[in-house]
Amino acid sequence: AAGVIQSPRHLIKEKRETATLKCYPIPRHDTVYWYQQGPGQDPQFLISFYEKMQSDKGSIPDRFSAQQFSDYHSELNMSSLELGDSALYFCASSLLFSDNEVTQYFGPGTRLLVL
Amino acid sequence: QKEVEQDPGPLSVPEGAIVSLNCTYSNSAFQYFMWYRQYSRKGPELLMYTYSSGNKEDGRFTAQVDKSSKYISLFIRDSQPSDSATYLCAMSGMGAQKLVFGQGTRLTINP
Repeated sequence: AAGVIQSPRHLIKEKRETATLKCYPIPRHDTVYWYQQGPGQDPQFLISFYEKMQSDKGSIPDRFSAQQFSDYHSELNMSSLELGDSALYFCASSLLFSDNEVTQYFGPGTRLLVL
Repeated sequence: QKEVEQDPGPLSVPEGAIVSLNCTYSNSAFQYFMWYRQYSRKGPELLMYTYSSGNKEDGRFTAQVDKSSKYISLFIRDSQPSDSATYLCAMSGMGAQKLVFGQGTRLTINP
């Protein structure tokens, strides 16, 4: 079965640079979530989208922005990167108004290292 | 104080043992309770989820939720070395909402 695809899998950036992370949800899934997992930490919710509209917002810095496109893929844009942004970034997808709507399927993550 | 508390371990048990993993929470609005398994450098993989209070069994895994005590558990019977991973509890409110995770418990099953 198709899973959530994230790219790139690894990314190295310098401080103050920008980064774009991409997420391709499971086919037919309409909801995308972004989470940030620091070293040894639990995943923290950043932001979510349903049908291309922002549906919820968590602890996402103002330097970050995200959107969901017409094909349901999502991109997380990160600017003015700081050392503390180094983390594993997960995307998850789900299908709203289904029997399984609360089930979020996670991608493999993008490991971002800011030097 | 975190909304969801989970003992980070590490927890090390011999193969075949029964493992008990637990989380407590403070938010009464949580209605869905999940257990995810995460291998090193991989994405969380959903093991089971339970709606409201009660038990749910799936093979060697049993999830229990006690909403009156705000306490959830995952039991693993006949543990295998392949069960070695970090186990994360996660919770959400009604509908498709963000997940709030516990810290994760690192579990090692020794052959």
